[in-house]
Amino acid sequence: KAGVTQTPRYLIKTRGQQVTLSCSPISGHRSVSWYQQTPGQGLQFLFEYFSETQRNKGNFPGRFSGRQFSNSRSEMNVSTLELGDSALYLCASSTPTETQYFGPGTRLLVL
Amino acid sequence: QQQVKQSPQSLIVQKGGISIINCAYENTAFDYFPWYQQFPGKGPALLIAIRPDVSEKKEGRFTISFNKSAKQFSLHIMDSQPGDSATYFCAASMGYTGNQFYFGTGTSLTVIP
Repeated sequence: KAGVTQTPRYLIKTRGQQVTLSCSPISGHRSVSWYQQTPGQGLQFLFEYFSETQRNKGNFPGRFSGRQFSNSRSEMNVSTLELGDSALYLCASSTPTETQYFGPGTRLLVL
Repeated sequence: QQQVKQSPQSLIVQKGGISIINCAYENTAFDYFPWYQQFPGKGPALLIAIRPDVSEKKEGRFTISFNKSAKQFSLHIMDSQPGDSATYFCAASMGYTGNQFYFGTGTSLTVIP
């Protein structure tokens, strides 16, 4: 089976812009979670989607949003980018037994 | 507030030695405890995981020890190899709430040849 794929892999934006990141889960996985990874804060949970519904949400401002499509593919959007949003954004897809498989991530740099 | 506390922050071990990384948690509702390995430029990869109904799980050179009463769990890497040099994260989740994982802050392991 193909692994979790994320696009794009690298992105450079300027403050105030918005960005959309994409994640394709492993075939058959219906749960997709998003994480932000930074050197200072580590891995922090953004949100989880299951069958097109947001099931869990972390402690991030409303500028961070996501959605999931009927084929389980997911997107996350960050509006009004801030310098502090520079991070590696990781997507993980999960089996019903909770095993999470991570993608390679999208590295976002906000200038 | 860090729900899962991980130590040490960095670890240097000689080839062939044992690497030990520790994690502690407070929330007794956690019921799934995985360990992840991450190489630079890659996403975390699941190494091994345990549930609270067992005290130890071994897969190859990797062993998780779990102490439910102390709310602690640890990863032991036996016969450490230079290829094990990576960052290791412990995590915890409450299965009934979905797949929201709480991660430790990571341990950078360096295995010296």
